[in-house]
Amino acid sequence: DAGVTQSPTHLIKTRGQQVTLRCSPISGHKSVSWYQQVLGQGPQFIFQYYEKEERGRGNFPDRFSARQFPNYSSELNVNALLLGDSALYLCASSLALGTYEQYFGPGTRLTVT
Amino acid sequence: DQQVKQNSPSLSVQEGRISILNCDYTNSMFDYFLWYKKYPAEGPTFLISISSIKDKNEDGRFTVFLNKSAKHLSLHIVPSQPGDSAVYFCAARAQGGSEKLVFGKGTKLTVNP
Repeated sequence: DAGVTQSPTHLIKTRGQQVTLRCSPISGHKSVSWYQQVLGQGPQFIFQYYEKEERGRGNFPDRFSARQFPNYSSELNVNALLLGDSALYLCASSLALGTYEQYFGPGTRLTVT
Repeated sequence: DQQVKQNSPSLSVQEGRISILNCDYTNSMFDYFLWYKKYPAEGPTFLISISSIKDKNEDGRFTVFLNKSAKHLSLHIVPSQPGDSAVYFCAARAQGGSEKLVFGKGTKLTVNP
């Protein structure tokens, strides 16, 4: 079975631009979460979506937004990019609410110049 | 404030010996703890978990111990293998609310042949 997939793998953007990252969860998984990992740190929670509804939001500015589609795939959008947004963006899926194990994709490496 | 702490940035052990990775937490509301392993250029891989109502969980070479009174957990790998060389993240989930995971900064384990 395919794991969590993310696209693109790498991305280079300029300050002020906008970016959209995509994630497809494991087949049958209905919950998707997004995390940001900067160098030397652990992943930091951005959003959780379940059944197309936002279930949780981390301490990130409103420049960050996300959505989940009927097929449970998800997009993360970041507007007005800052240099500090350079990071590895990880998507994780889990079977349903109340299941603790989250399974991560390989991530999208975003570089803002 | 960092609610999940991994105070050892790195650990080096000999092949065949035991690896012990430590994690401390401050939030008493955490009810589930997970360990993830991460290779370079890959997303974190789920390794093993433990509920806060238990004090030990074992899966093959991996055992996680939880000491709630000390707010401390540890991951034991016996015997250690060179393929275990990776960054290990401790993560915790708070009961109620969103299912976000709070991660430590990680410990880089090197297993020498």
